[in-house]
Amino acid sequence: GDSVTQMEGPVTLSEEAFLTINCTYTATGYPSLFWYVQYPGEGLQLLLKATKADDKGSNKGFEATYRKETTSFHLEKGSVQVSDSAVYFCALNAGNMLTFGGGTRLMVKP
Amino acid sequence: SAVISQKPSRDICQRGTSLTIQCQVDSQVTMMFWYRQQPGQSLTLIATANQGSEATYESGFVIDKFPISRPNLTFSTLTVSNMSPEDSSIYLCSVEDPLAGATDTQYFGPGTRLTVL
Repeated sequence: GDSVTQMEGPVTLSEEAFLTINCTYTATGYPSLFWYVQYPGEGLQLLLKATKADDKGSNKGFEATYRKETTSFHLEKGSVQVSDSAVYFCALNAGNMLTFGGGTRLMVKP
Repeated sequence: SAVISQKPSRDICQRGTSLTIQCQVDSQVTMMFWYRQQPGQSLTLIATANQGSEATYESGFVIDKFPISRPNLTFSTLTVSNMSPEDSSIYLCSVEDPLAGATDTQYFGPGTRLTVL
């Protein structure tokens, strides 16, 4: 079946550091790929998505590129802020059903 | 995208009781989903709720424990029945929003934080 694997957290960074959160997937067919973010005490917000190979999703300074050859969708940001502290979920949709990774907690210190 | 609200936002309940969670969307949507997020965990799909048909439950979830209603295209409820402390979780509803132009993308409500004592 479909699956998503994320790097385990927590990831602790200083403000303005570079962020990478790794995400790899296994799926039949050609899934759409997503990053969702969950701020403390809140629900999930869609951060970005990509629907086909080599697409780059971007939002709020975050980027992720759909790499079919490596089945990856790593999340990156060039300079994190304290306000980026949250849990990040990678997910795929291969046919009306979202499959989530385990989530990665990011903590950004001033 | 669609605006989704949930009630209640949080609750503390006694074991053996039931709680009904409401999910309201500001536009008509075909597919609504209910998820559970246990403490410190990822999301697990409970069921898919389509208007006019019975909900479709995922493996490990049964209608007697999690009855779902979908009376119209903007509203759904999830009931957590005969609760035990193991039911303490965040329960989230989500929708696919046709107005957003994509049927592969789900948008989530703010969640209901349930604690069972």
